[in-house]
Amino acid sequence: EIVLTQSPGTLSLSPGERATLSCRASQSVTANYLAWYQQKPGQAPRLLIYRASSRATGIPDRFSGSGSGTDFTLTITRLEPEDFAVYYCQQYSSSPLTFGGGTKVEIK
Amino acid sequence: EVQLVESGGTLVQPGGSLRLSCAASGFTFSSYWMHWVRQAPGKGLVWVSSINSYGGSPSYADSVRGRFSISRDNAKNTVYLQMDSVRAEDTAVYYCAVPIGTTLDFWGQGTLVTVSS
Repeated sequence: EIVLTQSPGTLSLSPGERATLSCRASQSVTANYLAWYQQKPGQAPRLLIYRASSRATGIPDRFSGSGSGTDFTLTITRLEPEDFAVYYCQQYSSSPLTFGGGTKVEIK
Repeated sequence: EVQLVESGGTLVQPGGSLRLSCAASGFTFSSYWMHWVRQAPGKGLVWVSSINSYGGSPSYADSVRGRFSISRDNAKNTVYLQMDSVRAEDTAVYYCAVPIGTTLDFWGQGTLVTVSS
């Protein structure tokens, strides 16, 4: 099973600032089958990024993903008020599907 | 528009059983794998189970294998999760999700299962 470790656990930033979230895998993620989700309180997760760097339909271009192998990054270039949420990475290169523990982006 | 609507969540005693349902619409249900993912209160996301488009190849997380069973009825556009011998640690919101374009593109709103005496 691929274990995903996200850091930091919490990121305290102000609107307009840049957010950089990390996801590290315990073994290489084949074909960069790594996704990022956003989850707000009381809501289901929403797919933001798939295949490490491709934005899902309707996702603003301030969200970008990068990385390969075992190290991946989600960047939000300028935080909007609606971006404060919890973010999860997930790998789908091998079974079972696994998620990271999440990074909470909170208002400073 | 893709819609997934879960139901069946309730308060159940330890050792009891319940069945969750997820009704799908807005896509060709019979063409896609379906997944269940759960989230304990205040915790992260955990994959639980999946099933292929024909109703075969069921797979389970180690924590539920032997107690939970996934199935689907393509005529009813519905996927099920039969939960037996439930434990306190099964308390969670259960989401169904579908990988239409890539990975879990679409999710339902979730249904809450509470295991307590």
